[in-house]
Amino acid sequence: DIQMTQSPSSLSASGGDRVTITCRASQGIDNFLAWYQQKPGKAPNLLLYETSRLESGVPSRFRGSGSGTDYTLTISSLQPEDFATYYCQQYYTTPRTFGQGTKVEIK
Amino acid sequence: EVQLLESGGGLVQPGGSLRLSCAASGFTSNNYAMSWVRQPPGKGLQWVSAISGSGGSTYYADSVKGRFTISRDNSKNTLYLQMNSLRPDDTAIYYCAKGTVTAAGTGYFDSWGQGTLVTVSS
Repeated sequence: DIQMTQSPSSLSASGGDRVTITCRASQGIDNFLAWYQQKPGKAPNLLLYETSRLESGVPSRFRGSGSGTDYTLTISSLQPEDFATYYCQQYYTTPRTFGQGTKVEIK
Repeated sequence: EVQLLESGGGLVQPGGSLRLSCAASGFTSNNYAMSWVRQPPGKGLQWVSAISGSGGSTYYADSVKGRFTISRDNSKNTLYLQMNSLRPDDTAIYYCAKGTVTAAGTGYFDSWGQGTLVTVSS
């Protein structure tokens, strides 16, 4: 199975900050990477797929990049509604695997 | 608008069985693979099982293989997960999730249900 390792596991930030979350795969996943946002008590919500493609309706402050084994989610200017937990997921192969999550908290 | 509504969760004793359902609307069922993804309390997401749009191909996580069975009835736009020989570590919120392709072996998830809680405890 491909292991997905996210870092950091949590971070504290203020509104307007630029936030970066990284996701490392245990082997190359050829850009088959998605990012989800999950708020407490809610289902995950797709933000980006194929590394950098923005899902319809997702604000452009969310950006994805990367290749090979290393990928990044960047929030350019943190908004109040962005405080949540973020997960990466590889879909290069089955079993699909997720990172352990990064919780973005208010500083 | 895509809507997914899970049901069937509850409290069950270790070794027991439960069947989850996911009623889908807003898209043509047989065009898309579907998956079950679970989330233990306070923990991260775990993919459990997937089924192709036609229902002809299925995949399972090793942790549930031989105990869980995924199926679908496209005439009813409903996805199922039959869970047998349940263990305490199966305790989780179970989400159904819509894939973006017909094939079950790949793809990300563009729509999720609200989840149903399964608790395995004596």
